Formats: sequence, C-alpha cells, structure tokens
Amino acid sequence: DAGVIQSPRHEVTEMGQEVTLRCKPISGHNSLFWYRQTMMRGLELLIYFNNNVPIDDSGMPEDRFSAKMPNASFSTLKIQPSEPRDSAVYFCASSLGNRGYNSPLHFGNGTRLTVT
Amino acid sequence: AQTVTQSQPEMSVQEAETVTLSCTYDTSESDYYLFWYKQPPSRQMILVIRQEAYKQQNATENRFSVNFQKAAKSFSLKISDSQLGDAAMYFCAYSWTGTASKLTFGTGTRLQVTL
Repeated sequence: DAGVIQSPRHEVTEMGQEVTLRCKPISGHNSLFWYRQTMMRGLELLIYFNNNVPIDDSGMPEDRFSAKMPNASFSTLKIQPSEPRDSAVYFCASSLGNRGYNSPLHFGNGTRLTVT
Repeated sequence: AQTVTQSQPEMSVQEAETVTLSCTYDTSESDYYLFWYKQPPSRQMILVIRQEAYKQQNATENRFSVNFQKAAKSFSLKISDSQLGDAAMYFCAYSWTGTASKLTFGTGTRLQVTL
C-alpha cells in the first residue's frame, strides 16, 4: 500500500487567497484525521471523520477552515481566506477505527503551508 | 479532558547507549491506548510502539520498550543501543478506545544521538 498520500507537499500563498489541501487515506481505512503542527501549539487535531461523516470538528479554528470527505478515498481541507497565522504543517492521517478498537494512526508526509 | 505531558524538551544520548524519554498523562478513563511516535527531520510521523492500557505487560519492539505504570499514569520510552538514525522528535500520545484513534499528543522531546 502506498500509505496516506497528501498533496501538495509545500504550498506558498499570499494572505487572502484560498488554499486547498488534499488527502487520500489508506484503502480500507474508515477514519480520517486532519492535524495541524506548529512550534507554538504542537500537534492539534482539527477534525476527524468516521465513515466519511465528520464526528468532531471542535478543533477547527474558525469559519475560514472547512473540511470535506466526499468519499472513502478522498478528503480536502480548505482555508478561505488564508492568513499568515495559518502557516503550519498540516497532516492527514487514517486508521481502521471502531468503538472499542483502535488501529494505529498512519500519517501522510504533511503539507507545509506558508502564508505571506 | 485528557492531557499528555512530556517534561523533557531535549535529550542527548551517545551512540550504543540507552536513553529513557518520559511521558505522563491524565485521564479519567480506564480503557485507552498509549503511543510513541517518532518524527525525523523528514517530518513524517512514524509509529514506534503502542500499549493497550488493559495489558500489564510492557510493549517491546526490537530496541524500543516502554515502562507503563497505569496507577502513576506514566508511560516512558526506553531506546537501547541508540543509533544515529534514532535522532528525531519523539511524541507521546493518548487515545481513548471510544474515539476511534483520536490522538492527543504531548509537546515532544527532541533526541540527539552523538558519536
């Protein structure tokens, strides 16, 4: 298996622009997570999906952030409009997760977002 | 809310020696998982080892082992025979079994390996 695939690997954009980050989870995994990593706040969970349904989006910073999972093999995280404080590494991760059983999270290589 | 604390921002070990990274956590749950992840400069997050809270036996994976003390809510990682490739950030993480792999991470420990 190719693992969790994220694109792009790097993104540089200007303040105010729309940014879309993409993720393809491991085939067969039914849980998908978006994390953000910064020096100041470490690794924060933004949102997670189970069977394509958003379960917990309490970590989404504000309305400028939105995430979708239209099918089991694809998810997007969108920031509109972007701001310099959104600069971070964004990780997507997937697992086979059901209540009472947790398979380990498998992470993608992350997208480094820089907003100037 | 669950919290994970790593009190050692940086650690250093000589090649071939042993080092222990500390982690404590706080939870009111009795059934959960604990993990150690490694993040090398490539920034990929790599699972090192995992422990189920209901298991008394400490998990081991080759040179990596844990000391899980459930009553003390402590979960340390021991790396034996350290290698240059072990240099990385190490994150301790917690997951309640009821939330399908949702992880809460500590702030990380940067491990340096010297010759």
